[in-house]
Amino acid sequence: QKEVEQDPGPLSVPEGAIVSLNCTYSNSAFQYFMWYRQYSRKGPELLMYTYSSGNKEDGRFTAQVDKSSKYISLFIRDSQPSDSATYLCAMSARTGANNLFFGTGTRLTVIP
Amino acid sequence: DGGITQSPKYLFRKEGQNVTLSCEQNLNHDAMYWYRQDPGQGLRLIYYSQIVNDFQKGDIAEGYSVSREKKESFPLTVTSAQKNPTAFYLCASSTGRSLVEKLFFGSGTQLSVL
Repeated sequence: QKEVEQDPGPLSVPEGAIVSLNCTYSNSAFQYFMWYRQYSRKGPELLMYTYSSGNKEDGRFTAQVDKSSKYISLFIRDSQPSDSATYLCAMSARTGANNLFFGTGTRLTVIP
Repeated sequence: DGGITQSPKYLFRKEGQNVTLSCEQNLNHDAMYWYRQDPGQGLRLIYYSQIVNDFQKGDIAEGYSVSREKKESFPLTVTSAQKNPTAFYLCASSTGRSLVEKLFFGSGTQLSVL
């Protein structure tokens, strides 16, 4: 079983829709959770991070962590064509970027 | 503009050949990393370095080598021992001092086998 599972998509939505992206994980020790956005043939960039459970909001983006279900989500409100990218979840049990486990990424297309 | 520069953008390797991927950063970050990205797989850590003249193996170090002679530079050599080198290679850096490390990535190098 993979440490982190993420539906690869692809996911297509109309402009303005609410997008829900999800990851599940098996290691109950994970406590640092991140979402990265990667445009085609570019490096990922950090969008959101949360520590332990709960929600975090930043503009149109909301990250949720449900540790009891080992499930994390990223919601995008009022989606825009510029949100079209691959979204990677990442998580770790300990501090330090050398301890990160990445999901495979979900490819999102927002249609104008 | 601060950032991470990877070169070349595309690289082709002949069988039995060693090739070196360049990574330079001007963010004054202590820590640098090399990841490999394959379709359908998450990013996998090859090597990382937290200070100059020191580096550690990641999850898939076999067939790769690195050096860290300068803070700004962390080149990756893909040796002939790496039998399946075709992948997108990403270099990243971080301060190495934060509770939740923010990774800054370069734009990647696509390596293919001729």
